[in-house]
Amino acid sequence: GAVVSQHPSRVICKSGTSVKIECRSLDFQATTMFWYRQFPKQSLMLMATSNEGSKATYEQGVEKDKFLINHASLTLSTLTVTSAHPEDSSFYICSAREVAGGMTGELFFGEGSRLTVL
Amino acid sequence: AQTVTQSQPEMSVQEAETVTLSCTYDTSESNYYLFWYKQPPSRQMILVIRQEAYKQQNATENRFSVNFQKAAKSFSLKISDSQLGDTAMYFCAFMKGGSQGNLIFGKGTKLSVKP
Repeated sequence: GAVVSQHPSRVICKSGTSVKIECRSLDFQATTMFWYRQFPKQSLMLMATSNEGSKATYEQGVEKDKFLINHASLTLSTLTVTSAHPEDSSFYICSAREVAGGMTGELFFGEGSRLTVL
Repeated sequence: AQTVTQSQPEMSVQEAETVTLSCTYDTSESNYYLFWYKQPPSRQMILVIRQEAYKQQNATENRFSVNFQKAAKSFSLKISDSQLGDTAMYFCAFMKGGSQGNLIFGKGTKLSVKP
C-alpha cells in the first residue's frame, strides 16, 4: 500500500513554544490530508481537513489559530501547534487520500506524532 | 450527522479461537464505505478490511471477515484463528462516498488474545 510518513514521531517542547509536525505522502500524490488527535485510550478525533492549495477546513471546537495547517504541495501537509500548552499534549495522526483514489475511499495513515508539552 | 458505535470497550479471546467485534452506525447517506482499522501498541493505524455499502457480499481478508447488515446498519468483524499478534485496539469507521469524505471512528474495542 501507499506510504505516509510523519515527522517527528516524538517531540517534547516547553510551554509557549510552537511545534511543527510534517505529513508526507512518499509514493503518491494527495490532494486531501486529514489531521486527527488521539488522547490516551480514546478514539481518533478529526481536527481538520487539509486540501492542497486552499485553506484547511476545521472541525467544530478546533482553534484554527492554534493549530495551523498548511498543505502547500501534493505530498506535504504540516500541522503547527502554536504557543503550545500542556493540554495540547496528545498523539497527532495524519492521513492522506491519493489523487486517483476518487471513490475508492481508502486513506493511508502516518505513524503518528506524540507531542508532550512541559 | 453520521455516528459509529462500538459497544464493547474490551474483549478477550483465546489463541486460535474466533471472536466477533460489534459495530453499528447511523447515516442517511446511500453511498458510503465502512472500515475496520487495527491500532497495535505502535499506534500505527492498519486497515484490516473495507466494505462498500453498495456491495451485498460480505468482505473477507484471510482470517478477517465482516457481517454487513445494511438494513440494520450493523458491521461486525469476525476474526478467526486468533493470533497473539491480533492483540490491538480495533476501530470501526464510516466514510461518506465521494472524494472529500473523511473517516468517522467509533470509540474502539481493545482486543486481547491470550495464549
